[in-house]
Amino acid sequence: GENVEQHPSTLSVQEGDSAVIKCTYSDSASNYFPWYKQELGKRPQLIIDIRSNVGEKKDQRIAVTLNKTAKHFSLHITETQPEDSAVYFCAASRAGNTPLVFGKGTRLSVIA
Amino acid sequence: GAVVSQHPSRVICKSGTSVKIECRSLDFQATTMFWYRQFPKQSLMLMATSNEGSKATYEQGVEKDKFLINHASLTLSTLTVTSAHPEDSSFYICSASGTGLFLHFGNGTRLTVT
Repeated sequence: GENVEQHPSTLSVQEGDSAVIKCTYSDSASNYFPWYKQELGKRPQLIIDIRSNVGEKKDQRIAVTLNKTAKHFSLHITETQPEDSAVYFCAASRAGNTPLVFGKGTRLSVIA
Repeated sequence: GAVVSQHPSRVICKSGTSVKIECRSLDFQATTMFWYRQFPKQSLMLMATSNEGSKATYEQGVEKDKFLINHASLTLSTLTVTSAHPEDSSFYICSASGTGLFLHFGNGTRLTVT
């Protein structure tokens, strides 16, 4: 089955700097790669996703890149703000009604 | 947009009792729902896949007789934690997919077993 590795487990950046979180996956048939942000005690919130027919996707300060050959994808947050502080999870799945397999998460702290 | 409603949001029960958690898709039909468990400071781990009208598929290490899943309709799946113990205390989250790939999550249920 799918295995998703996520690094780093913790990340501290100064406000205004960029943050990058990287994930690798094992199942070459996976074609959907979402990123979730989870604040303490709350459910995960989808912040951006990418499908295998696209190499990069951007939404304001957030971007995701995908390298299918190398089976890795990354989340980039630019101009970080204190409210970006949270735990971020990457995930991967195949098409259709298949479950997401999550990475172990990255605790991002943005220091004002 | 699509909404998944999960109840209760918090529950405290005594050891040995059973707790039922409901997951409803409010504006779409979900033939498949997924149940995840999240221990403190850990990731979401898939417990089981709930299929409407058929038996759930459990992940390795998840006791099917302890975590009873019922998916009786296209909009409702329930997870019952039977004979709960303190080690079952966790954050349980359901998710469902309508059309397409996007998974919608419920708000989660924080279970505390005393």
